Amino acid sequence: AQKITQTQPGMFVQEKEAVTLDCTYDTSDPSYGLFWYKQPSSGEMIFLIYQGSYDQQNATEGRYSLNFQKARKSANLVISASQLGDSAMYFCAMRDSGTASKLTFGTGTRLQVTL
Amino acid sequence: DTAVSQTPKYLVTQMGNDKSIKCEQNLGHDTMYWYKQDSKKFLKIMFSYNNKELIINETVPNRFSPKSPDKAHLNLHINSLELGDSAVYFCASSQGGLAWADTQYFGPGTRLTVL
Repeated sequence: AQKITQTQPGMFVQEKEAVTLDCTYDTSDPSYGLFWYKQPSSGEMIFLIYQGSYDQQNATEGRYSLNFQKARKSANLVISASQLGDSAMYFCAMRDSGTASKLTFGTGTRLQVTL
Repeated sequence: DTAVSQTPKYLVTQMGNDKSIKCEQNLGHDTMYWYKQDSKKFLKIMFSYNNKELIINETVPNRFSPKSPDKAHLNLHINSLELGDSAVYFCASSQGGLAWADTQYFGPGTRLTVL
């Protein structure tokens, strides 16, 4: 069974600094995808970035990058140059290759960006 | 031009009532989902439909019944509402290709409060 662990319930970062949100996963399937979502206080779930298990390079999307370390089973999200609008809950999620596979979420990390 | 929309955004009702939440996507996706986010922000899948066919049916009370009239719509009907049904319900959709690379896009959520 697949499992996602986010060990940081809350994080603080100063504006313009970089921050890393941790995510470790566990699956026996060689084919899997890792996703990060942002949930601001307004409540919507916003897709940020995707990394496939066969991808050779770390995914990047603007200020978001995914530090993918396959051997360590970690998929940490790095946000560069933090902005006040980055304050939100961040969820790591994983899905493997079964036709009835499910997107399994971690418990989330609440990020607070300060002045 | 909203991609995944849900109505209503807020739903307040009495125990024992029956209610429905509607979801529509204009992304041309083949697969749609319902998720429940509890008070601790934990997200869990409830149902998944692919081209109107039920693919995933998690351990959900049979008071919850999804209905997909066409592949752009997935509605959730809840009978005999209970206090424990209070949560935020998210609809999502995805293209439906390779499971582990199939990014899901979420609607804005429906906050259900059962009194």
